Amino acid sequence: EDQVTQSPEALRLQEGESSSLNCSYTVSGLRGLFWYRQDPGKGPEFLFTLYSAGEEKEKERLKATLTKKESFLHITAPKPEDSATYLCAVPREGDSSYKLIFGSGTRLLVRP
Amino acid sequence: DAGVIQSPRHEVTEMGQEVTLRCKPISGHNSLFWYRQTMMRGLELLIYFNNNVPIDDSGMPEDRFSAKMPNASFSTLKIQPSEPRDSAVYFCASSPQGRTYEQYFGPGTRLTVT
Repeated sequence: EDQVTQSPEALRLQEGESSSLNCSYTVSGLRGLFWYRQDPGKGPEFLFTLYSAGEEKEKERLKATLTKKESFLHITAPKPEDSATYLCAVPREGDSSYKLIFGSGTRLLVRP
Repeated sequence: DAGVIQSPRHEVTEMGQEVTLRCKPISGHNSLFWYRQTMMRGLELLIYFNNNVPIDDSGMPEDRFSAKMPNASFSTLKIQPSEPRDSAVYFCASSPQGRTYEQYFGPGTRLTVT
């Protein structure tokens, strides 16, 4: 069964303390992996798309990487405004690729 | 460019009442999705439209839920009659042609059924 698992469920960091979030998946024939940021009371905001193993994308303090079985979201020197829930998602195989399988998310809290 | 627009942002209603949620997708996007998010189940796809036609409604919980897309710039999700277990945040998302997996979400409607 297609699955996406994120870890840790929650992460508390001090401002400036770098760390990584993990997203592992079991879908074969990956058509892409997507990272979203979700703030309380808002919809998921599209961050990155990764399509192939070895690919990396960066945006400000965030860097996403992809291997054949997992993706990492690295946060360098985080600030309190980086606090949010980070979701990853992959499309199902075949004709149902519009169906995104979402992980349960990592709730990140960055303390000043 | 404006993102996906949803209304209302918050809805509180009593059990048994009809609820209608509204969505305006991003202009030029030809795919539209309705999702429901709860703490227990996360994000669940309810229905997917392509070029205004419902393609997959297998996620619609039961006959009390219905969705329409009368034109490319408007969609509704209706619950009749509503029940307390329908309380959740409902999101609309849209995506451009050829990239259905690149979904852009609206701000959501928080529905509370008492």
